[in-house]
Amino acid sequence: GQQLNQSPQSMFIQEGEDVSMNCTSSSIFNTWLWYKQEPGEGPVLLIALYKAGELTSNGRLTAQFGITRKDSFLNISASIPSDVGIYFCAILRLGGSEKLVFGKGTKLTVNP
Amino acid sequence: DGGITQSPKYLFRKEGQNVTLSCEQNLNHDAMYWYRQDPGQGLRLIYYSQIVNDFQKGDIAEGYSVSREKKESFPLTVTSAQKNPTAFYLCASSHTGSNQPQHFGDGTRLSIL
Repeated sequence: GQQLNQSPQSMFIQEGEDVSMNCTSSSIFNTWLWYKQEPGEGPVLLIALYKAGELTSNGRLTAQFGITRKDSFLNISASIPSDVGIYFCAILRLGGSEKLVFGKGTKLTVNP
Repeated sequence: DGGITQSPKYLFRKEGQNVTLSCEQNLNHDAMYWYRQDPGQGLRLIYYSQIVNDFQKGDIAEGYSVSREKKESFPLTVTSAQKNPTAFYLCASSHTGSNQPQHFGDGTRLSIL
C-alpha cells in the first residue's frame, strides 16, 4: 500500500522559532491533509490542500501542496508553547473510497 | 454542539474477553471509520462504513468486528482473537464524495489486565 515519509520524527525548539516539517510519497495524490494531535485526544484537522501548488494559511500555520503532487510541507511561524503535539500529514487514497493514509507524525516540543 | 463522541475514555480487557467501544456522531456524516494508534506510529485503518448496514475491512481488520445499524453509530468490538489489543482507538466520520476530510473523536485507550 501507499506509504508516507514524514520528517523530522521529532523537533525541540525554543518559543518564537519557526518550524518546518514535510511529507513525501512515491505516488501522486489529489488531497493532502495536516492534523495536530495533543496527548490523549484525537487528531484535529489543521489544513486541507486540494490542488497542486496550493499554498494555504491558517493563522501562524502555512501548508503547501507540492507541484509534483507527491509532497507537502507545513510551516509554523513564531511558535508558542501550545503548539506542542504530534503533527500528522495524511492523504486520501485515490479511487473514491475516502480512506486516509497517515504519516508517522512529527512530535513538536516547544521550550518556553 | 456537533461532534464525535467516543466512550469510554479508558477500557480494560481481561484475557479471552470481548469488549465494545462506542462511537456516536451528530454531524450527519454518512461515512465512519475506526483507526488504531500505537506509540510512535501513524493511524492504521481497522474498518470503515460509507453507508448504513454496510462496512468494509481496512488494513488491520483481523480480531475486530463492527456494525452500522444507525447512521449515527459505529461500534467496534475488539474480540479475543485480537492478540495485541492494547492501543489507542480513534473513531472518525466524514461526508462521502471526493476529498472530504475526516473528523476525529477523542479516542478510547484500551489496556489488558
